[in-house]
Amino acid sequence: KAGVTQTPRYLIKTRGQQVTLSCSPISGHRSVSWYQQTPGQGLQFLFEYFSETQRNKGNFPGRFSGRQFSNSRSEMNVSTLELGDSALYLCASSLEVRPTDTQYFGPGTRLTVL
Amino acid sequence: GENVEQHPSTLSVQEGDSAVIKCTYSDSASNYFPWYKQELGKRPQLIIDIRSNVGEKKDQRIAVTLNKTAKHFSLHITETQPEDSAVYFCAASTGRRGSTLGRLYFGRGTQLTVWP
Repeated sequence: KAGVTQTPRYLIKTRGQQVTLSCSPISGHRSVSWYQQTPGQGLQFLFEYFSETQRNKGNFPGRFSGRQFSNSRSEMNVSTLELGDSALYLCASSLEVRPTDTQYFGPGTRLTVL
Repeated sequence: GENVEQHPSTLSVQEGDSAVIKCTYSDSASNYFPWYKQELGKRPQLIIDIRSNVGEKKDQRIAVTLNKTAKHFSLHITETQPEDSAVYFCAASTGRRGSTLGRLYFGRGTQLTVWP
């Protein structure tokens, strides 16, 4: 099976712009989670989607949003970008939303905000 | 919510030695504990995981132990090799129902360097 894929792999934006990142889960996986990874804060949970519904949400401002489509593909959007949003954004897919379901990560999208 | 602490933040060992990374968690409802390895510029990869009904699990040179009473779990790597050099993350997933179900809480990571 193909692994989790994310597009684009790299993005450069300026402050105030918005950005949309895409994640395609492993075939058959219905849950997609998003994480922000920075050197200072490590891996921080953004949100999780299952069956097109947001099931979990981390402590991020409302500028961060997401959605999931009927084919389980997911997008996240960041509006009004700030310098501090520069990070590696990782998505992970799992079969369901059970606590013991293994999460498989994509390669990430490296976002740089200038 | 759950809080996972990981120590040490950096670890240097000589090739062939053992490496141990320790994590503690706060939520007694957590019941799944995966470990991920992230090489520079690559995605986190699951290397081993343990469920709360098991105290120890081994996979070749890697083992994980879990002490539910003390709420801590550890990763043990024996006979380390230079290719083991990476950042290792521990995580915990709570079985508590509600908005936290299934969410992974990560430690801050340990940079392991294995010197030849």
